[in-house]
Amino acid sequence: DVKVTQSSRYLVKRTGEKVFLECVQDMDHENMFWYRQDPGLGLRLIYFSYDVKMKEKGDIPEGYSVSREKKERFSLILESASTNQTSMYLCASSIVAGGHQETQYFGPGTRLLVL
Amino acid sequence: AQTVTQSQPEMSVQEAETVTLSCTYDTSESDYYLFWYKQPPSRQMILVIRQEAYKQQNATENRFSVNFQKAAKSFSLKISDSQLGDAAMYFCAYRYQGAQKLVFGQGTRLTINP
Repeated sequence: DVKVTQSSRYLVKRTGEKVFLECVQDMDHENMFWYRQDPGLGLRLIYFSYDVKMKEKGDIPEGYSVSREKKERFSLILESASTNQTSMYLCASSIVAGGHQETQYFGPGTRLLVL
Repeated sequence: AQTVTQSQPEMSVQEAETVTLSCTYDTSESDYYLFWYKQPPSRQMILVIRQEAYKQQNATENRFSVNFQKAAKSFSLKISDSQLGDAAMYFCAYRYQGAQKLVFGQGTRLTINP
């Protein structure tokens, strides 16, 4: 079974702090994603990566950055946390087979509260 | 831009009955995929069912089936013989062929009444 893990289930940070959210997948997937989940808005893509050191902006990248130094690990960074970044953050990964992306597998999520 | 709309924020059904969750989408693409994901309370999001747009036959996975109406851009999920474990947030999602990202609907919270 594919396993996608996230470093924390719950996190409380103060405004202005630098926040790191870590995601690790154990299935050698090429693609990794960071989504933000908010009530009534569904999931929105922040960033994704299709290879080591490669990244692309999603729909709401402002205030976030990412890092992918190893294939299995994809980090989301909030350079200076703000209260409007209080949310649930979901990581996902997928494999590329025959030139096509397969199903995305999700981690358990990190619920971040910024005070 | 592609959009996905789930017009039912909440649904409830009696255990053992059938419930249908609605999803509509907007796209100008002809080749794409549609998905239903399930997110149980405090648990991981998992894929329930997937439909390729080029397939006319509706996808089925055990008690879960879809009604895919390509011309109407509608993709509803039917859950038969509802069980308590089906209680979750359900998300409809879309991805066009060649794209990396999924576009999600707003979600429908499904409650199962014993």
